[in-house]
Amino acid sequence: EVQLMESGGGLVHPGGSLRLSCAASAFTFSRYSMHWVRQAPGKGLEWVSYISSSSRTIYYTDSVKGRFTISRDNAKNSLYLQMNSLRAEDTAVYYCARDYDGIGELLGYWGQGTLVTVSS
Amino acid sequence: EIVMTQSPATLSVSPGERATLSCRASQSVGSNLAWYQQKPGQAPRLLIYGASTRATGIPARFSGSGSGTEFTLTISSLQSEDFTVYYCQQYNNWPPGTFGGGTKVEIK
Repeated sequence: EVQLMESGGGLVHPGGSLRLSCAASAFTFSRYSMHWVRQAPGKGLEWVSYISSSSRTIYYTDSVKGRFTISRDNAKNSLYLQMNSLRAEDTAVYYCARDYDGIGELLGYWGQGTLVTVSS
Repeated sequence: EIVMTQSPATLSVSPGERATLSCRASQSVGSNLAWYQQKPGQAPRLLIYGASTRATGIPARFSGSGSGTEFTLTISSLQSEDFTVYYCQQYNNWPPGTFGGGTKVEIK
């Protein structure tokens, strides 16, 4: 069974930085593209970023461009999200997600999420 | 950016009855439409992709239909575990893969 486990969330001041990690297991991580998706408290889902299996293709939603950086280490079966210049509106549960059987745009498998709170 | 609108925001249905959820796109997304289920305190789960194809392990009581701008998720006979929130997402004009605001299915 596909397993994804996020970590690294916490409380950070506005303007601060945080690095999220996602540990993958029970599948061949290097073959799949990955995403970060977030959900503000009591709100809906927002796609944040995408990275292809080889890291060759990366996308971001407009609101995080220039502030967030997605990366992966296929040797360590891990996905990362470096978040800089954090704002109150970045407060959310952040989920990592794997594509669905090669359909890169789909969010086929999800982790349990990690909460990021940006507050002074 | 394509805007996805789900209706109704809340749907009240009795157990065992049929639930019909709607999702509308601001422009055509072809059949590139997915549905997700999210239970309280849990991550979302992919139910339907390609507008009508069930993901692995999804019960047959869940079905999707539609194309272009109008889509429907039907739950044929609601079980207790189905009373939760459902989101649609387009992935035709991607990125970003925009989500609808969600429909909460509650017990009538």
